Amino acid sequence: EDQVTQSPEALRLQEGESSSLNCSYTVSGLRGLFWYRQDPGKGPEFLFTLYSAGEEKEKERLKATLTKKESFLHITAPKPEDSATYLCAVQARGDYKLSFGAGTTVTVRA
Amino acid sequence: EPEVTQTPSHQVTQMGQEVILRCVPISNHLYFYWYRQILGQKVEFLVSFYNNEISEKSEIFDDQFSVERPDGSNFTLKIRSTKLEDSAMYFCASSSGYGYTFGSGTRLTVV
Repeated sequence: EDQVTQSPEALRLQEGESSSLNCSYTVSGLRGLFWYRQDPGKGPEFLFTLYSAGEEKEKERLKATLTKKESFLHITAPKPEDSATYLCAVQARGDYKLSFGAGTTVTVRA
Repeated sequence: EPEVTQTPSHQVTQMGQEVILRCVPISNHLYFYWYRQILGQKVEFLVSFYNNEISEKSEIFDDQFSVERPDGSNFTLKIRSTKLEDSAMYFCASSSGYGYTFGSGTRLTVV
């Protein structure tokens, strides 16, 4: 069974204070690893898909990286509008579904 | 930017009643999904739908649940006899094969 573990559960940052979120995964052949942002009461909003170890993707203040066992989401110089829950999910080869982690809730104070 | 539309945004129903949650996926997507998220818990997979049939379903998706694509644009999730534990956010998602787009969800409250 696919397993996704995210840490920490919660992260409180000062505006401008860079940090990283971790996503450890176990899957029988990775098709893709996904990062989503979720605001309270809303659906997950797509950020990145990573397909192979060593791959990196960037979008504004966010950068996602992937190894064979984990992925990191780096937040550089965060702003209050980056406050959200960040979800990691994996899709196994030959599979249709995503298996999600519990998320990391990031709060950025001005 | 194309989006997945879900209606209603919030539904309150009595235990034992049937509910239908509706979704309009992105028009050129071929894969359709339902997920749910109980308050404070992980997003959980319910069912995937491709080529007018269920391609995969989870243990949660028992005989009380059904999905349908009644026309070329809508995708529905029916819960035949709701239980208190069905209270959750239900998300529809669609995919072209790479990446998913999720809707904003329907909050289902069973009383």
